[in-house]
Amino acid sequence: AQSVTQPDIHITVSEGASLELRCNYSYGATPYLFWYVQSPGQGLQLLLKYFSGDTLVQGIKGFEAEFKRSQSSFNLRKPSVHWSDAAEYFCAVGGILTGGGNKLTFGTGTQLKVEL
Amino acid sequence: DSGVTQTPKHLITATGQRVTLRCSPRSGDLSVYWYQQSLDQGLQFLIQYYNGEERAKGNILERFSAQQFPDLHSELNLSSLELGDSALYFCASSGRLGSYTFGSGTRLTVV
Repeated sequence: AQSVTQPDIHITVSEGASLELRCNYSYGATPYLFWYVQSPGQGLQLLLKYFSGDTLVQGIKGFEAEFKRSQSSFNLRKPSVHWSDAAEYFCAVGGILTGGGNKLTFGTGTQLKVEL
Repeated sequence: DSGVTQTPKHLITATGQRVTLRCSPRSGDLSVYWYQQSLDQGLQFLIQYYNGEERAKGNILERFSAQQFPDLHSELNLSSLELGDSALYFCASSGRLGSYTFGSGTRLTVV
C-alpha cells in the first residue's frame, strides 16, 4: 500500500529565511511524487511534480524538491520564504500512470506560518 | 482558474438528506477523481472514473456513489447524510501526462 508521511505538522519560519518541508513515502514501485499548496478555503495548487529524470525538480513560486530514492524522501525547499507562502503544504505519491491514471495518496500536511 | 469546475461551492443541508456534487474536468482529461478533506481524516481518496468507467475505489461509504457521463463530467451523490459527512469535497482530473488538477472544492455542511 502506498503512504506518505509528513512528520512536521506545523513549521514557523521568519520571512527571508530558508525552508525545508519533509516528506517520506512508501510505494512498491516507481513513485510519482507531488507537492501541493492549499491556502485557507481554497483548492489544491500544484507546486511541482517528479515523474523521472533529474532528481532535483523546480516548481512554481521558487520552490524545488529533491527525490532521494535511497531515503524514500521528496523534501520541498525554498531559499527565501515570503509572507505569502503561509499556507498548508501537502506531499502526495501516485503510482505508475496507465491510460487510466491512478489515485494520489496524500500526507497529512504541514502548516507553514511565516513571521514578519 | 484551474480548468476543473466544481459546483456548488457551498452546500448546507440537513441530516438524512441527499445531495449531488458536480465536477467538470479540465478539457481533454479523461480521468476524474473525488477526494474528501476533513479535519480528522485529512485528504482521502474516494473514487476514480476514467472515460465513463469506474477505475479505482478508496474509502467511499456505501451511502456515497458517483458516475461519469459521456461528456466526461462527473457527479458524486451523497445520501442519508450524517453530521460526520461535513467536509470539503474535491474533484481532480488528469490526462495522459498525469498532471492532476484540482477544482476549488465543494464545502458541505450537514446540520
